Amino acid sequence: KNQVEQSPQSLIILEGKNCTLQCNYTVSPFSNLRWYKQDTGRGPVSLTIMTFSENTKSNGRYTATLDADTKQSSLHITASQLSDSASYICVVSAKTGANNLFFGTGTRLTVIP
Amino acid sequence: EAGVTQFPSHSVIEKGQTVTLRCDPISGHDNLYWYRRVMGKEIKFLLHFVKESKQDESGMPNNRFLAERTGGTYSTLKVQPAELEDSGVYFCASSQDSYRVGGYTFGSGTRLTVV
Repeated sequence: KNQVEQSPQSLIILEGKNCTLQCNYTVSPFSNLRWYKQDTGRGPVSLTIMTFSENTKSNGRYTATLDADTKQSSLHITASQLSDSASYICVVSAKTGANNLFFGTGTRLTVIP
Repeated sequence: EAGVTQFPSHSVIEKGQTVTLRCDPISGHDNLYWYRRVMGKEIKFLLHFVKESKQDESGMPNNRFLAERTGGTYSTLKVQPAELEDSGVYFCASSQDSYRVGGYTFGSGTRLTVV
């Protein structure tokens, strides 16, 4: 069964600190993995997208890693800012199948001053 | 470039009533998708249009849901009659390429509450 699991479910950190969000998946055959940021009341916005051959990808203070062997990904946020408060959703795409996008339930990050 | 626009942003209706959600994709994007997030659960696929044709509607929960995309431009998603379990946030996304290779742009969603 194709599934995407994220942890932790929620996280509170102090402004300026770093944090790492986890994503484990069982989607097969794997095509790519995306991390999205979703602000309250807004739609998800893409942060990174990685294919099978990519181990890491950065977007400013966001760095995503992918281990296709263990089927794990992480999103590391450096020097957090208040504006980083949002839900972060891991989405894994399969190569085949009519509906091939599988979403995690997200990690709710709150950055406090 | 204008993004994906959804209307309304919020809707509160009574059980048994009808609601129509609208999505305006990015101009030129042939692919349009509807998704739904029920509280506490992950976002789930509802259906996919390529231009005006339904490419895949395997995620539609039941026949109370009807999606259209006349002329291949904007799309509507009608729920008739609405039930309590239909409450959630309905997202629309569009892309230029098929979802296997391209990126998506999501709308801000419509929060539907059925009371």
